[in-house]
Amino acid sequence: DGGITQSPKYLFRKEGQNVTLSCEQNLNHDAMYWYRQDPGQGLRLIYYSQIVNDFQKGDIAEGYSVSREKKESFPLTVTSAQKNPTAFYLCASSLGAYNSPLHFGNGTRLTVT
Amino acid sequence: GQNIDQPTEMTATEGAIVQINCTYQTSGFNGLFWYHQHAGEAPTFLSYNVLDGLEEKGRFSSFLSRSKGYSYLLLKELQMKDSASYLCAVMDSNYQLIWGAGTKLIIKP
Repeated sequence: DGGITQSPKYLFRKEGQNVTLSCEQNLNHDAMYWYRQDPGQGLRLIYYSQIVNDFQKGDIAEGYSVSREKKESFPLTVTSAQKNPTAFYLCASSLGAYNSPLHFGNGTRLTVT
Repeated sequence: GQNIDQPTEMTATEGAIVQINCTYQTSGFNGLFWYHQHAGEAPTFLSYNVLDGLEEKGRFSSFLSRSKGYSYLLLKELQMKDSASYLCAVMDSNYQLIWGAGTKLIIKP
């Protein structure tokens, strides 16, 4: 079955360390997205990519970096520059048209202490 | 600024009907999405409205009034598995999705 896989589901890191969250999709979708979900807030867009080797900053890109070397993969690195990295991170993909629904992975819960 | 408002939490009884409202103020409008999300899991697409009116899909219906900046999701014949958070998202004139904080729906037997 096609879908989006995020790994790991839970991740623990010490402050000052960079950490990379994996996102792989086999839906053959062109567009991929990274969102952050915090309690009591709507999803906030970190980065998105409409095509391989190209990506754009979202609303809260500071302290994060991404790459899109393959259509299937869109890893997110949370750097030590991110002030409040502890959160639930969701990866999504879509066909790319504005009315295309997003398909989400099951998320990675990152805890930084 | 852009804003999406939804009730934080609602409670309903198994077998009943519940209506979850969403009001929005955004820079333009290119459609409204509803998703649901069980705790710790992926949000899942439910519906998309871009024209005024009611869209029915099984037990779920979604309504849109663009002039009022208002939508609702209607869930009928509630089941325990419908306990989840329901997320409203609006696509603005720049084709950016603006998300509400979600409504946590609790179903009681």
